[in-house]
Amino acid sequence: NAGVTQTPKFQVLKTGQSMTLQCAQDMNHNSMYWYRQDPGMGLRLIYYSASEGTTDKGEVPNGYNVSRLNKREFSLRLESAAPSQTSVYFCASSEWLTGGVNGAFFGQGTRLTVV
Amino acid sequence: KQEVTQIPAALSVPEGENLVLNCSFTDSAIYNLQWFRQDPGKGLTSLLLIQSSQREQTSGRLNASLDKSSGRSTLYIAASQPGDSATYLCAVRAAGNKLTFGGGTRVLVKP
Repeated sequence: NAGVTQTPKFQVLKTGQSMTLQCAQDMNHNSMYWYRQDPGMGLRLIYYSASEGTTDKGEVPNGYNVSRLNKREFSLRLESAAPSQTSVYFCASSEWLTGGVNGAFFGQGTRLTVV
Repeated sequence: KQEVTQIPAALSVPEGENLVLNCSFTDSAIYNLQWFRQDPGKGLTSLLLIQSSQREQTSGRLNASLDKSSGRSTLYIAASQPGDSATYLCAVRAAGNKLTFGGGTRVLVKP
């Protein structure tokens, strides 16, 4: 059982380039999330999707867009990367927005560097 | 706005000692609280989930308590081992469905 799978694991971008981070879960969860983790700032919510077909802004949405492609997949797009977006990005999923029975599960992260 | 605090930020103990990790939150109207473990350069692994109606959860050497009214949770790890060295994060889920994280406690268990 793979859980939450993120690709790529590492990426280096030049300022102004665009890219999409992919996330897929195989637990039949309804809700999915994107977080970023920065030293001294902890984990902050970028966007979330309560269920297939819906997306909402989190704490730090500026500079990002998301797509809930289907129940399994939730992608995060950086249209014009900036050095301030250098971070570790985590995708997570849960049965429901309230967490359900087992709470949230996280992927292994994407380490993004913008130069 | 929900704020989650974990003190201390770092903790070093000799092997065999019990670990006590603290988490406090400002808004007691939560759905649940979840403890995670994060190894360097890795993702978050869920350890325990406590629903708002529960007082504690146990899994092996791990026990987590929840006192919603005082806004506190404690994670106990019995008989610590070097393999328990990691960063431990607590997160609360409240209205708005945001999982708000504490800053984490970095634990080192010395052989």
